[in-house]
Amino acid sequence: SAVISQKPSRDICQRGTSLTIQCQVDSQVTMMFWYRQQPGQSLTLIATANQGSEATYESGFVIDKFPISRPNLTFSTLTVSNMSPEDSSIYLCSVEYREETQYFGPGTRLLVL
Amino acid sequence: AQSVTQLGSHVSVSEGALVLLRCNYSSSVPPYLFWYVQYPNQGLQLLLKYTSAATLVKGINGFEAEFKKSETSFHLTKPSAHMSDAAEYFCAVSDQTGANNLFFGTGTRLTVIP
Repeated sequence: SAVISQKPSRDICQRGTSLTIQCQVDSQVTMMFWYRQQPGQSLTLIATANQGSEATYESGFVIDKFPISRPNLTFSTLTVSNMSPEDSSIYLCSVEYREETQYFGPGTRLLVL
Repeated sequence: AQSVTQLGSHVSVSEGALVLLRCNYSSSVPPYLFWYVQYPNQGLQLLLKYTSAATLVKGINGFEAEFKKSETSFHLTKPSAHMSDAAEYFCAVSDQTGANNLFFGTGTRLTVIP
């Protein structure tokens, strides 16, 4: 399986600020995904990020709030913009790597005060 | 469209007892099915997956799951629970066009009682 790392692992931020989360994978992958896991809940897909094209956002998520970059086949960033306490969540990136399976990073735990 | 229902948001078992976590799926096409585990303060780890090969799938840490098309189920079992199995377990389904369309259940928190 692919080895995926995320930075930062956790952060505490003030409302109105922005945080950029990095996702690095040790193999070249076509598809990367960003999920949100709100406290005590399951995972919700934010967007799909393919290298060389604009990210595709799911219903309820917009580029102005969650801009995504995908500069190469091993790296992506998700920015959470103009944060509010409702953005407090775990943000996970994942990759589709062989055999139609998604593998997940360790997550970024965000608390917005 | 695909969806997953996990019955029981919390399951408690005694150490050494059978673990049974239930998952039922809805899919208009033959599905791929997955179980992931999330340990406290960690990301998701793939336990096992069904991709239309053998209906009984063995995964890591002694877990297995059986795909039953007639029951639209993919329940996760382990014969003997260990304290280290305490975690959140998520069932997920995708269609056979690829794992990019992955739909998660709401999760089941497993507690193991010593």
